Amino acid sequence: DSGVTQTPKHLITATGQRVTLRCSPRSGDLSVYWYQQSLDQGLQFLIQYYNGEERAKGNILERFSAQQFPDLHSELNLSSLELGDSALYFCASSPRQGPTTNEKLFFGSGTQLSVL
Amino acid sequence: GESVGLHLPTLSVQEGDNSIINCAYSNSASDYFIWYKQESGKGPQFIIDIRSNMDKRQGQRVTVLLNKTVKHLSLQIAATQPGDSAVYFCAERRGGSQGNLIFGKGTKLSVKP
Repeated sequence: DSGVTQTPKHLITATGQRVTLRCSPRSGDLSVYWYQQSLDQGLQFLIQYYNGEERAKGNILERFSAQQFPDLHSELNLSSLELGDSALYFCASSPRQGPTTNEKLFFGSGTQLSVL
Repeated sequence: GESVGLHLPTLSVQEGDNSIINCAYSNSASDYFIWYKQESGKGPQFIIDIRSNMDKRQGQRVTVLLNKTVKHLSLQIAATQPGDSAVYFCAERRGGSQGNLIFGKGTKLSVKP
């Protein structure tokens, strides 16, 4: 168990809908990262938050957004869903302190999103 | 496409043998590398990491070797066990501590009993 908690484990929805994925980082970790894993693209970095503030953006679509709350949990919002958004979405946190440190990420078990 | 890649997409080894999983990278400015193991239905699990100022680092039954001359990273697993069966990913960090981790596509390791 990595200590990173993600809910829900599975999510099935229809095209055009909006969903929210939730993540609780390891106790004491201030950084939260979101990754998308699909069969053809592998693990793709989406976005990073540190202590409530956005720190880095990767290949995140404009239809997607995220935030980190004062209690450090994070949510990834996916809207206007398309078939191609079906993937595993992982959250990770890092014990390394500092907003720009990007090392030793610990991943949650992921949310499997299926868009039908 | 990604510059971090793997020479072998699948690797099959006998239980008890040593495994070597290879990874190539193309960015000479990458300063940090990390290996993850991902079992079916689970998230990537940290195995071992290494900084670019090192060429070897050992953990429990695992060793990571870094050859900056040829931009090559390898993960060696000693006495491979059935529980080692998984997909293994390497990742590199480009651009110093502000860079993001870029993951390779993964190598599937199968351990035959």
